[in-house]
Amino acid sequence: GAGVSQSPSNKVTEKGKDVELRCDPISGHTALYWYRQSLGQGLEFLIYFQGNSAPDKSGLPSDRFSAERTGGSVSTLTIQRTQQEDSAVYLCASSFNVLGANEKLFFGSGTQLSVL
Amino acid sequence: KQEVTQIPAALSVPEGENLVLNCSFTDSAIYNLQWFRQDPGKGLTSLLLIQSSQREQTSGRLNASLDKSSGRSTLYIAASQPGDSATYLCAVNGQGGKLIFGQGTELSVKP
Repeated sequence: GAGVSQSPSNKVTEKGKDVELRCDPISGHTALYWYRQSLGQGLEFLIYFQGNSAPDKSGLPSDRFSAERTGGSVSTLTIQRTQQEDSAVYLCASSFNVLGANEKLFFGSGTQLSVL
Repeated sequence: KQEVTQIPAALSVPEGENLVLNCSFTDSAIYNLQWFRQDPGKGLTSLLLIQSSQREQTSGRLNASLDKSSGRSTLYIAASQPGDSATYLCAVNGQGGKLIFGQGTELSVKP
């Protein structure tokens, strides 16, 4: 596609429910990143994929969070048993290769998650 | 552990002023440093990327500098316009294959 596409753009859910967030990266980009941005905060790294594998999951805040990527393209971030502190904007980004000296990162518009 | 700090957190200037945004980082072992712009409710747009071997990059009215040894970067915006109002984020690309972000500077340019 022309850019990184995320869906849904907004998600309101009740505490304790599971949610799935989707990211469709730029066609041909092998690396895909998930970040979280809480209100008034900078971006917090969650996980990145190179192809279908995830070399770095160190940012996932708890075992309620998981992500997968299939076919080297679309990725889903799943949050189980959502809590109010999970409320944030979840941003996805992609790059042609894993970030090196001259790789730029392209971001989607994010999914605003609100847990009531 | 890499930490990125941006100062100031917010800045308000009248239209036409030149301004400087500051970014500092704790670990100088980086591949590059990038500046992004974020408009309310939107994703991030890449503005400038400075490789670790470079000292500065320019794009239009924007100039970014990098002093890797002191762990500092500045983003200079010349002749600011109301359309420049946004949050500006600095991020460093270390050796872990991911970007580490500062908390951003919220810029408001008043007509």
